[in-house]
Amino acid sequence: DIQMTQSPSSLSASVGDRVTITCRASQRISNFLTWYQQKPGKAPQLLIYGASSLQSGVPSRFSGSGSGTDFTLTISSLQPEDFATYYCQQSFTSVWTFGQGTKVEIK
Amino acid sequence: QLQESGPGLVKPSQTLSLTCTVSGGSMSRGGYYWSWIRQQPGKGLEWIGFIYNSGSTYYNPSLKSRLTLSVDTSKTQFSLKLSSVTAADTAIYYCARTVTIFGVVTYFDSWGQGTLVTVSS
Repeated sequence: DIQMTQSPSSLSASVGDRVTITCRASQRISNFLTWYQQKPGKAPQLLIYGASSLQSGVPSRFSGSGSGTDFTLTISSLQPEDFATYYCQQSFTSVWTFGQGTKVEIK
Repeated sequence: QLQESGPGLVKPSQTLSLTCTVSGGSMSRGGYYWSWIRQQPGKGLEWIGFIYNSGSTYYNPSLKSRLTLSVDTSKTQFSLKLSSVTAADTAIYYCARTVTIFGVVTYFDSWGQGTLVTVSS
């Protein structure tokens, strides 16, 4: 199975900060990379698909980049509603796998 | 919209059965697979498997020997059965709609709210 490793596992940031989360795949996955946001007690929500395509309705402060093995989710200006856990997920192989998650907390 | 339903408590060695009801659209329309994902309390996400309208399935190999997915498009429902459960199967179970692009299954674009299933005697 392809292993997805996110870094950092958690971070503390302030409203207005630029936040970057990294996801690394154990082998090349082209752009078959999706980002989700999960708030406590809620189901995950789709943010970015195809590594860089913004899902309809998602604020433009979210962006994704990367291809191959290294991917990045960036929040350009962190808002109060963005404090959550973020997961990457690969769909390159027939066994889909998620990263372990990155928890974004309030500083 | 998707909504999971089923028992919240299952005894060890028994079979866990859940149903996901899809509302607001036809399941028969192509372009989507229908998936199950789970999350152990306080942990990350684990893909269980997905099924197409035709009944074609893809299972996580780690669960394949115990897992059965089925679909009933007339009822706009799809279901999960996981046999011989243990405490390790205690988790929140989510159903999700899964998008295909040019026939390639890609990502989950809509999720149910999730249902907690506890395995305990």
